Amino acid sequence: QKEVEQDPGPLSVPEGAIVSLNCTYSNSAFQYFMWYRQYSRKGPELLMYTYSSGNKEDGRFTAQVDKSSKYISLFIRDSQPSDSATYLCAMSDETSYDKVIFGPGTSLSVIP
Amino acid sequence: DAGVTQSPTHLIKTRGQQVTLRCSPKSGHDTVSWYQQALGQGPQFIFQYYEEEERQRGNFPDRFSGHQFPNYSSELNVNALLLGDSALYLCASSLWGASGYTFGSGTRLTVV
Repeated sequence: QKEVEQDPGPLSVPEGAIVSLNCTYSNSAFQYFMWYRQYSRKGPELLMYTYSSGNKEDGRFTAQVDKSSKYISLFIRDSQPSDSATYLCAMSDETSYDKVIFGPGTSLSVIP
Repeated sequence: DAGVTQSPTHLIKTRGQQVTLRCSPKSGHDTVSWYQQALGQGPQFIFQYYEEEERQRGNFPDRFSGHQFPNYSSELNVNALLLGDSALYLCASSLWGASGYTFGSGTRLTVV
């Protein structure tokens, strides 16, 4: 079993839809949870950063962490064609918070 | 304000050769981490450098080595290249003790 699992998609939605992206993980020591967006031929870009459980909102993006279920989510409201990218969940633990473990990524296409 | 700069952008090497990849961190950052991203996969942590020392290492063989210079720039060296080393190599910079990476656009290495 991989440490971090993520449905690779591809996920295709119409413009304006609400998108839900999810990851599961196996290591209960993970405390830092991140979502990165990666456009084709670019490096990942940090979207959201959450410590421990709970919700965090930033504009059209909401990140949720449920440590009891080892499950994290990213919601994108009013999706735009510019949101078309690969979304990577990532996490790390307290002792080596910079050693980030990434999921394989979900490819998202938002159709105008 | 320049972000993370990586060179070269693309590279083709023959199996058994050696390669050096270079990274200049974002202005104000002092820590450099290297990741390997195979096609369709999430980035995998190789190692991290701070104060010119390797601070953390992922599950990569000794063929992978690095260096950090006094100006915080960094090199990744890979010896005895294998076909399986073909990947996008990402450099990520950060401030030691702070959260969140800034990634470069990567070096695409192809081993033939």
